Amino acid sequence: DGGITQSPKYLFRKEGQNVTLSCEQNLNHDAMYWYRQDPGQGLRLIYYSQIVNDFQKGDIAEGYSVSREKKESFPLTVTSAQKNPTAFYLCASSSLPGLLVTDTQYFGPGTRLTVL
Amino acid sequence: LAKTTQPISMDSYEGQEVNITCSHNNIATNDYITWYQQFPSQGPRFIIQGYKTKVTNEVASLFIPADRKSSTLSLPRVSLSDTAVYYCLVGDIGTGFQKLVFGTGTRLLVSP
Repeated sequence: DGGITQSPKYLFRKEGQNVTLSCEQNLNHDAMYWYRQDPGQGLRLIYYSQIVNDFQKGDIAEGYSVSREKKESFPLTVTSAQKNPTAFYLCASSSLPGLLVTDTQYFGPGTRLTVL
Repeated sequence: LAKTTQPISMDSYEGQEVNITCSHNNIATNDYITWYQQFPSQGPRFIIQGYKTKVTNEVASLFIPADRKSSTLSLPRVSLSDTAVYYCLVGDIGTGFQKLVFGTGTRLLVSP
């Protein structure tokens, strides 16, 4: 089955600790994204990557870091510098031009992070 | 990036047709219109995408007038399982990279 997996589904962290959220895709997509969603709100873009070994800051990158060493993987680290990290985190991927024009972003199931 | 405006919430009953309208007055020539559906504690799911006129798939229809300043997602004969948040997004997918902007969406509640 092709798709995007995120782990863990629920994550608890003590204040001041860094934590890494996993995102893996087997859709052969070049682009990957991380979003944050707060209760009753839309999604906000944290980081995105269009190709391996390259990534760009989104709208709310402060306190987060990413890496893109493999095409399939785009882990997100929530650092202690993130002031309010409790949220629902969503990973997505998409294809590049030359493929289906109607291809769009496919989302993983999400990770709910709670800071205690 | 074009900003979208859609109703915060809508109510409907099972079996009715639901139309959710999205306003995007500043849509650019290369922008496509995409709708996503999101259930609680799940990632958004792609519903439909279009550029102009009408697009229909097995789930919904998308109506886009000639000026493209708005669009209407039509869900035929909704069921309880269609209760979700629906997002309208506008973005240029011509280059492949899609820096999409999600608003707060429309919360649809379908009652028996």
